[in-house]
Amino acid sequence: QKEVEQNSGPLSVPEGAIASLNCTYSDRGSQSFFWYRQYSGKSPELIMFIYSNGDKEDGRFTAQLNKASQYVSLLIRDSQPSDSATYLCAVMQNAGNMLTFGGGTRLMVKP
Amino acid sequence: NAGVMQNPRHLVRRRGQEARLRCSPMKGHSHVYWYRQLPEEGLKFMVYLQKENIIDESGMPKERFSAEFPKEGPSILRIQQVVRGDSAAYFCASSQRTGGAGEKLFFGSGTQLSVL
Repeated sequence: QKEVEQNSGPLSVPEGAIASLNCTYSDRGSQSFFWYRQYSGKSPELIMFIYSNGDKEDGRFTAQLNKASQYVSLLIRDSQPSDSATYLCAVMQNAGNMLTFGGGTRLMVKP
Repeated sequence: NAGVMQNPRHLVRRRGQEARLRCSPMKGHSHVYWYRQLPEEGLKFMVYLQKENIIDESGMPKERFSAEFPKEGPSILRIQQVVRGDSAAYFCASSQRTGGAGEKLFFGSGTQLSVL
């Protein structure tokens, strides 16, 4: 399996700040990139996906993709305590549908 | 709610017993994936199935583990002769179709397997 790397954290930000989560991947043939949020003891929930270089915005979330640098990031604006969770970066390779996950970054938003 | 359904939610087995985990995909989805998650770790791919066909089992341990997705009924992940190291959360995901960019996986609530 190809590798997907994330800083495990925890990343601590104050309420209202921007949280920046980063992810790098090793397979240049990767086509699709996903961010999942996972609360403790719960299942992963898809929050963002991006296929093309550049930025994609959805509400308070912005996903950024740079295929040349093999880098994906997720920005969360106006962070809320309810955003506190583990954020999993996932990459879909060129062939097949299997998602390869990073180890996740734990985000803590402090009131 | 036509989400991915997994059962049981919690499963306790003694060493040496068999564990059977079930997954029904979302309505309209014909592809099922099984992932395992150890505490404080990410999700590790195990197997990818379509109806009556294993597409990729590169993440499955060679012994004791098997998976199926019959023509009728849920997908089953079967673990024979469980050991304590099998204790983990097992998540099932489903997707609608195969092929390249745009395909999204949706996860069930998982089965927490505890081996005593």
